[in-house]
This record gives sequence, C-alpha cells and structure tokens, in this order.
Amino acid sequence: DAGITQSPRHKVTETGTPVTLRCHQTENHRYMYWYRQDPGHGLRLIHYSYGVKDTDKGEVSDGYSVSRSKTEDFLLTLESATSSQTSVYFCAITGGGTEAFFGQGTRLTVV
Amino acid sequence: GQQVMQIPQYQHVQEGEDFTTYCNSSTTLSNIQWYKQRPGGHPVFLIQLVKSGEVKKQKRLTFQFGEAKKNSSLHITATQTTDVGTYFCAAPQIGTDKLIFGTGTRLQVFP
Repeated sequence: DAGITQSPRHKVTETGTPVTLRCHQTENHRYMYWYRQDPGHGLRLIHYSYGVKDTDKGEVSDGYSVSRSKTEDFLLTLESATSSQTSVYFCAITGGGTEAFFGQGTRLTVV
Repeated sequence: GQQVMQIPQYQHVQEGEDFTTYCNSSTTLSNIQWYKQRPGGHPVFLIQLVKSGEVKKQKRLTFQFGEAKKNSSLHITATQTTDVGTYFCAAPQIGTDKLIFGTGTRLQVFP
C-alpha cells in the first residue's frame, strides 16, 4: 500500500467547533485531494492541491478550507462544523494523471 | 462543470450471474480509471484506460473505453461474493488534474 495516512480515523465534535483533519504521505506525490463520501453521492471533491501552497476548490468546498505547507501534509479544516458535514472523509494522492491512492478515511460526526 | 455519470446505482445479482456498470461523460476524457471499494474500506485502484476503444481484462473483469472516449464499462463474468462492493469510475477534469469520480455502482452478490 502507498504511504498515506489520515488522522484522526474517527471524531465526534459539536456543532460550531473547528475541526482539522490531517493527511500525510510519504510518496512525494505532487497532487493531494480531499473527498467526502455520503450515501447516494459517491465521492465528491472538496479541495485539491497541485503543489506546496497551491490549492484549488472542488465541487463541495463551501465550509471547508485547506492548507499545504509541505509536500507531505494536506490539512482540511472545518472552521465551524455543521451537522451537514457529518461524513466520511478520504484523502487521496496521485502523481498526476495516474492512479490515486486513498487513505483509510476519517469518519466525522457532528452533533 | 464536468460530470461523470454512472449507472446503475445499485445492482443485486445471484452468485454466478454477470454484472456490468457503465460510466458516461458529456466531454471527451483523456483517460478513465476504475476503482473498487469494499464495504467499510477505501477505494482501491483497479485499472486505467487511455486509448480509444481500449479493452483490458483482469481475470473475470473486462474493462472497455469507448471509441469516442466518452464512456466506459466494467463487466464482471460469473460474479462471486468477493466481488461485493462499490465500483467507481474516475477521470481527470478537462485541462486540470482534478480527479472526478462517478457516483458509483454498489454491487451485492447473493450466494
């Protein structure tokens, strides 16, 4: 398996609190992605990064921000969590136009 | 924005029956990838198709890329219970490396 880890794996948080999810890779891949997965919606792209400090929005970016200060780390922040952000979050990495490797996922519950 | 539509959303089959999922795009794709996600797991890369009309096989799985590079299919011959999961197609968004996923087809196999 590719070297990609997500933390935490599970989190329960209260509405209105900030939450940060971390994705760490050891593959030195250029591209990193954050997706959320909800029943009936498949995998929806939140944000992606094409290099250090280079990020772009995906199709469901409202309420989320990201940062990438190092090649190996891509952080996803929910500034003020809402119940609609309860989901499973996946980080993925690619070398560009090639296969994507996914992390194990983070199950986030906002109560 | 670019969308990748996938049908059917669900498929229940008896073990030994065949299964096919289809992926369609309104725009020409540079390549298409297929992933499998087991229940409770993360998506895992299966294959990438690049050439118009390309056909690739992996044991009981046959992948096709349309002549116009706008559609693709995954066919499983004689399904087994180990084939259970959700199958996703994915393609890079035109002009970028954003990987856009189809909505997925969830396959259930009854013994």
